[in-house]
Amino acid sequence: KAGVTQTPRYLIKTRGQQVTLSCSPISGHRSVSWYQQTPGQGLQFLFEYFSETQRNKGNFPGRFSGRQFSNSRSEMNVSTLELGDSALYLCASSLGTVGNTIYFGEGSWLTVV
Amino acid sequence: AQSVAQPEDQVNVAEGNPLTVKCTYSVSGNPYLFWYVQYPNRGLQFLLKYITGDNLVKGSYGFEAEFNKSQTSFHLKKPSALVSDSALYFCAVRDDTNAGKSTFGDGTTLTVKP
Repeated sequence: KAGVTQTPRYLIKTRGQQVTLSCSPISGHRSVSWYQQTPGQGLQFLFEYFSETQRNKGNFPGRFSGRQFSNSRSEMNVSTLELGDSALYLCASSLGTVGNTIYFGEGSWLTVV
Repeated sequence: AQSVAQPEDQVNVAEGNPLTVKCTYSVSGNPYLFWYVQYPNRGLQFLLKYITGDNLVKGSYGFEAEFNKSQTSFHLKKPSALVSDSALYFCAVRDDTNAGKSTFGDGTTLTVKP
């Protein structure tokens, strides 16, 4: 059974640009959540989608957005990139109920220059 | 509201000795607790979880964790550490008032020396 797949794995963007990251969940999983990981801030929750609806949202500015498609694949977008957006962005999927384990992808490393 | 505290940034143990990585939590509803491990430049790997039932939970790679409701703790343990256990460990909590959001601790770096 394939795991969570994130693309691209590495990317470099210029300040002010926008970026889209993609996540394919484990087959059958309807919940996809996104996290930002930085050395100083640890793992910060961005948002979670369940059956194409945003169910939870963290405390990030509106420049961070996401969506989920009918096949449960998800994308997140960051507009007007800032240097501080440089981070590892992790996607995780689960069946969607509270006791279900969330499984992580390998992440997308974003560097903003 | 949910919160997780991992009070130790770093834990050092000698190979063969027992290890403990500490975690305390705070939730509004009933807690669901998880441990993950992260190796350099990789995503997080699931180790074990507590949902309900037996307070001692066994997981992957010989790890176990003990749920203590009165102390609101969920410490990760292993009887005999291996050098290959050296990694970054995260504790996470979810509660039944919010199924979709997990809150993670800041992580604890475990170093096992030969």
